Amino acid sequence: QKEVEQNSGPLSVPEGAIASLNCTYSDRGSQSFFWYRQYSGKSPELIMFIYSNGDKEDGRFTAQLNKASQYVSLLIRDSQPSDSATYLCAVKGEYGNKLVFGAGTILRVKS
Amino acid sequence: DAGITQSPRHKVTETGTPVTLRCHQTENHRYMYWYRQDPGHGLRLIHYSYGVKDTDKGEVSDGYSVSRSKTEDFLLTLESATSSQTSVYFCAISESFQLARTDTQYFGPGTRLTVL
Repeated sequence: QKEVEQNSGPLSVPEGAIASLNCTYSDRGSQSFFWYRQYSGKSPELIMFIYSNGDKEDGRFTAQLNKASQYVSLLIRDSQPSDSATYLCAVKGEYGNKLVFGAGTILRVKS
Repeated sequence: DAGITQSPRHKVTETGTPVTLRCHQTENHRYMYWYRQDPGHGLRLIHYSYGVKDTDKGEVSDGYSVSRSKTEDFLLTLESATSSQTSVYFCAISESFQLARTDTQYFGPGTRLTVL
């Protein structure tokens, strides 16, 4: 079983819709959760992080964390074609500074 | 963008040859990391460093070695490259304050390595 799992997609949504990206993790001691966006041929860039249960909003992005269910999600409101990318979920364990990445979900926003 | 550069950006080499990739940072961050990214596997940690001359293995360290003689430079060496090491290699850095749950990693532009 992979430590961090994401649906590979592609997830296709129309422009203006809400895109919902999901991630599950196996280590119950995980402390921090990160979402990175990666455009084709580019390096990952941090979108946001969350470490408390509940929702965290930043502009059009909302991260949701449910530690009991070992589940973290990223919602993108008013999706734009420029949001088309691969979204990587990363998890930091209880100790140390290593991140474990999921394989990523490809998002396609159609105009 | 975080001040991270990687060199070379592209390299084609032959099986059995040694290869060294360089990561250079201008942020004075303590931690540096080397990842490889392959389709279907996401980013996998090869080695990381938590200070000058302090390094440790990641999940896919076989066939790789690293060195860090200065805070700003972290080198990844493939002693004898194999075709299975064809990949995109990313360097990352983090400040890593103790107990900082929010400490994040920032990535360099990547190096595309092809081993024929």
